Amino acid sequence: DTAVSQTPKYLVTQMGNDKSIKCEQNLGHDTMYWYKQDSKKFLKIMFSYNNKELIINETVPNRFSPKSPDKAHLNLHINSLELGDSAVYFCASTLRGDRVGDYGYTFGSGTRLTVV
Amino acid sequence: EDQVTQSPEALRLQEGESSSLNCSYTVSGLRGLFWYRQDPGKGPEFLFTLYSAGEEKEKERLKATLTKKESFLHITAPKPEDSATYLCAVPSNWADSWGKLQFGAGTQVVVTP
Repeated sequence: DTAVSQTPKYLVTQMGNDKSIKCEQNLGHDTMYWYKQDSKKFLKIMFSYNNKELIINETVPNRFSPKSPDKAHLNLHINSLELGDSAVYFCASTLRGDRVGDYGYTFGSGTRLTVV
Repeated sequence: EDQVTQSPEALRLQEGESSSLNCSYTVSGLRGLFWYRQDPGKGPEFLFTLYSAGEEKEKERLKATLTKKESFLHITAPKPEDSATYLCAVPSNWADSWGKLQFGAGTQVVVTP
């Protein structure tokens, strides 16, 4: 029943490791996003895909690489993890329409990444 | 540069004590303004979208209004279950990067019985 699901919910790993976070939505949306929420609770966009095409790519270290195998899935792979990567990562999705808010943005429950 | 500023940072209310949260923005060509609620350990939950100055929307004890420079979220007779962080967001660079939401830092609301 979950609309936007992320796995894992918690991720604790050592510096230098490579890890992936997965996201899936069953809402029939065509656009998906990765947001990062830092310790100060600011939500910042990282990437967005529309129908498997990358449409937003913010100033993010190239250690972060998103992949969208289809419009229902969006994954985030992070290489050579650093302490500063510790944050909560949220996946979100929406249906692209004439008015940006018509369909809302649905967020997942987040993945708390802790790099030690 | 587009900016979204929310105030106050934190608000402590007694149950039944109505109050308002503020979200001011500097975005050229506003396409919409969103309000979200975020509970601890969860993702933001969509509340409202407002499109133009003068527009109002209501949901239970919440009412959102929009002017040309700011939006208010009024909480009428709050209950403890209204405790959460309330976030506002605007889409920026609409033409170039559809759907890029810029969030404010949020207002943490605590309602005590």
